[in-house]
Amino acid sequence: GDSVTQTEGPVTVSESESLIINCTYSATSIAYPNLFWYVRYPGEGLQLLLKVITAGQKGSSRGFEATYNKETTSFHLQKASVQESDSAVYYCALGHSGGSNAKLTFGKGTKLSVKS
Amino acid sequence: EAAVTQSPRNKVTVTGGNVTLSCRQTNSHNYMYWYRQDTGHGLRLIHYSYGAGNLQIGDVPDGYKATRTTQEDFFLLLELASPSQTSLYFCASSDPPGLGGAEQFFGPGTRLTVL
Repeated sequence: GDSVTQTEGPVTVSESESLIINCTYSATSIAYPNLFWYVRYPGEGLQLLLKVITAGQKGSSRGFEATYNKETTSFHLQKASVQESDSAVYYCALGHSGGSNAKLTFGKGTKLSVKS
Repeated sequence: EAAVTQSPRNKVTVTGGNVTLSCRQTNSHNYMYWYRQDTGHGLRLIHYSYGAGNLQIGDVPDGYKATRTTQEDFFLLLELASPSQTSLYFCASSDPPGLGGAEQFFGPGTRLTVL
């Protein structure tokens, strides 16, 4: 089946340091997977951070970037300089493109704490 | 503003109790989902729906029923709650995926404790 594996947390980083959260996927039932990063801030629901639907492309939002690498089946999340407000839980997810199947397969989530 | 709301936000019940979690979306989306979030497991899909009256079984459906009464409203029912169902529950909605994928919009979650 489809699966997503991401960096196990918790991850603690100092403010202004760089961040990478690893994500690899296995898409056995999806011909053209779409890849997503969602973020959940304390007390809130998940919200989309960025998505990429084409292999080789990069998505970016709020200073975060992720490149869809089909060869290595990876979609790592990076940020050059984190802020305390980035403290949250980050989820990598895999989805279908087209058709009627809108199911997403999520990773376990990575809790990020940014210390000042 | 488009939104997904859930009620209650917190619920405590006893083993064997009857619980209904409610979700309403104003996104005009056809698709709605119920997930549970547990430490070490990420989000796991319980049930989902393509529209009013439709129900699809997710990946962890045992012990749960769901009903989609309107396009806006999706309910999760625990008829004989067990401590293993203590969890954080999220509802979400989306359009069909199309070629651009389907972003899901999430509610704030309901924390359920079964004693």
